[in-house]
Amino acid sequence: QQQVKQSPQSLIVQKGGISIINCAYENTAFDYFPWYQQFPGKGPALLIAIRPDVSEKKEGRFTISFNKSAKQFSLHIMDSQPGDSATYFCAASRGSQGNLIFGKGTKLSVKP
Amino acid sequence: EADIYQTPRYLVIGTGKKITLECSQTMGHDKMYWYQQDPGMELHLIHYSYGVNSTEKGDLSSESTVSRIRTEHFPLTLESARPSHTSQYLCASKKAGSTDTQYFGPGTRLTVL
Repeated sequence: QQQVKQSPQSLIVQKGGISIINCAYENTAFDYFPWYQQFPGKGPALLIAIRPDVSEKKEGRFTISFNKSAKQFSLHIMDSQPGDSATYFCAASRGSQGNLIFGKGTKLSVKP
Repeated sequence: EADIYQTPRYLVIGTGKKITLECSQTMGHDKMYWYQQDPGMELHLIHYSYGVNSTEKGDLSSESTVSRIRTEHFPLTLESARPSHTSQYLCASKKAGSTDTQYFGPGTRLTVL
């Protein structure tokens, strides 16, 4: 049973466009929702994270939108750049001891 | 910049060999993890540790074993490598008792011939 479902599996966006990646979770006890960015040959790196007490968090061109009632959260990349081309993973965890549960990843390609 | 290191970065080895993948971090983190990932694919948790002398199996069954004798060191061992073990292995760590950032190392790309 997959606890965090991520879509789409791959995404192609033109430079300057908006990239949107969606995740849905099942466990209402989850209370931490990070997004990780991974470039080929590298380990994932934290991009941005949100907790369920807010509906949106913005850091530069990256925004997380969180819908607690729908149990969904999404990553929006504004003004997408070729340098944003990477694989993005959403994740969720419960409490300070919980392990991160990752989505299956979205491969983003931003075309010049 | 995360202070978590993995060696070797790449390893090509024959079937049946014993290998140890090294992971160390200088952040004093109690919790450490090993993930298995085929390139660009999903991350599978295979082992984790809450601290010294603590090891737990993750969600994905693995023939590998781990040890945690020192806080900063979390090596992974395969007693007899097989081609099915070919994958990327990622080590990660985070401060226990919080939902702070989990930091990943650069990974070891293992190929078993």
